[in-house]
Amino acid sequence: DAKTTQPTSMDCAEGRAANLPCNHSTISGNEYVYWYRQIHSQGPQYIIHGLKNNETNEMASLIITEDRKSSTLILPHATLRDTAVYYCIVSPEYNAGKSTFGDGTTLTVKP
Amino acid sequence: SAVISQKPSRDICQRGTSLTIQCQVDSQVTMMFWYRQQPGQSLTLIATANQGSEATYESGFVIDKFPISRPNLTFSTLTVSNMSPEDSSIYLCSVDDRANTGELFFGEGSRLTVL
Repeated sequence: DAKTTQPTSMDCAEGRAANLPCNHSTISGNEYVYWYRQIHSQGPQYIIHGLKNNETNEMASLIITEDRKSSTLILPHATLRDTAVYYCIVSPEYNAGKSTFGDGTTLTVKP
Repeated sequence: SAVISQKPSRDICQRGTSLTIQCQVDSQVTMMFWYRQQPGQSLTLIATANQGSEATYESGFVIDKFPISRPNLTFSTLTVSNMSPEDSSIYLCSVDDRANTGELFFGEGSRLTVL
């Protein structure tokens, strides 16, 4: 699996959009970009994934650059409950279970 | 989505003992995954467990230390054998979604402390 690079930590004001970047410059053509988050003392939670088109669901939006070498997860209106470690992973769909989790970004949403 | 239950949720164990963690899924799944999360660290895949075959272990993990069972499509166990304080971690069970989109579902984890 390709390696991803994320900032160690980020802060965001409650109610504002949180934009979490991820670099995956060695991504292969069949690899998707997945985002998970882990709230303290809980198991990781799937957020969203995409191949090359931008994606949106009820939790977040995923913006993938045209060259697919980086992406941004957007939480449009961050709340205190969004404070968590966010992991960006790249993997083929058929092999997602063997994904390599990097260190992730610790997002702290502040009142 | 899949609902995953793990037991125990936490335990304190003595050095040299073994502990078996159970993972129950509310639906039939082909592949189950066991991860370890050491204190303050990210997740590391231990092994992949397919029903009816031997588990496949990742580099650095061996069957003698982490034997895995997968008796059916909804259940798996991970045993942490001959524990030492270095085994103090959260152990997480995961499954991929039935639609094969690669979405992983995780249990809440089993937090083990080895004294």
